Amino acid sequence: EVQLVESGGGLVQPGGSLRLSCEASGFTFSSYEMNWVRQAAGKGLEWVSYISSGGSTMYYADSVKGRFTISRDNAKKSLYLQMNSLRAEDTAVYYCARDDNFYEGSAFYPRFDSWGQGTLVTVST
Amino acid sequence: DIQMTQSPSSLSASVGDRVTITCRASQSVSNYLNWFQQKPGKAPKLLIYAASNLQSGVPSRFSGSGSGTDFTLTISSLQPEDFATYSCQQTFTTPRFTFGPGTKVEMK
Repeated sequence: EVQLVESGGGLVQPGGSLRLSCEASGFTFSSYEMNWVRQAAGKGLEWVSYISSGGSTMYYADSVKGRFTISRDNAKKSLYLQMNSLRAEDTAVYYCARDDNFYEGSAFYPRFDSWGQGTLVTVST
Repeated sequence: DIQMTQSPSSLSASVGDRVTITCRASQSVSNYLNWFQQKPGKAPKLLIYAASNLQSGVPSRFSGSGSGTDFTLTISSLQPEDFATYSCQQTFTTPRFTFGPGTKVEMK
């Protein structure tokens, strides 16, 4: 069974740092691209960051670029999100999500087929 | 950036009703469109990928259609466990994905 378990959330002051972790099991972690997605209370989902299966390619939403860093350790089957210079607007539940691409001919279609339970990050004084 | 909108933002329906939710992209996303279901306090669950493909394990009462800028999620006969929030996601600009704001399906 595919499982993703996030940890590391908590209360942090504005300007502070936090490191989120996502531990994977039940699948070959090193074969999958991974993402972080967040959701503020009562709001919609917001894609935050992407990392390729080997960890060499990363992308970020403009709202977190320069402040957040995504990484992974395939030997430990773990995904990370280092969050620096945190702001009140970063307050949200953070989910890690596996991207199981669907291939049809020469095209591939991303699909977030497995998600963790989420970890809450609260940025406040 | 591609913006996603959904309509309605919420709806009230009864068990057995046919429910239709619309998602619109600010520019064409071809068929790079996914649908998710989310219940309070839970992670999103993938229902439909590539606009019309049913994810494994998802009941056949769920279906998706559309291409370009206009998409539809249909629940053919609403069940008690289907009361939830439904969100679309464009994956055309991979990996910079964008989600819609969600449609809450409530009990009438």
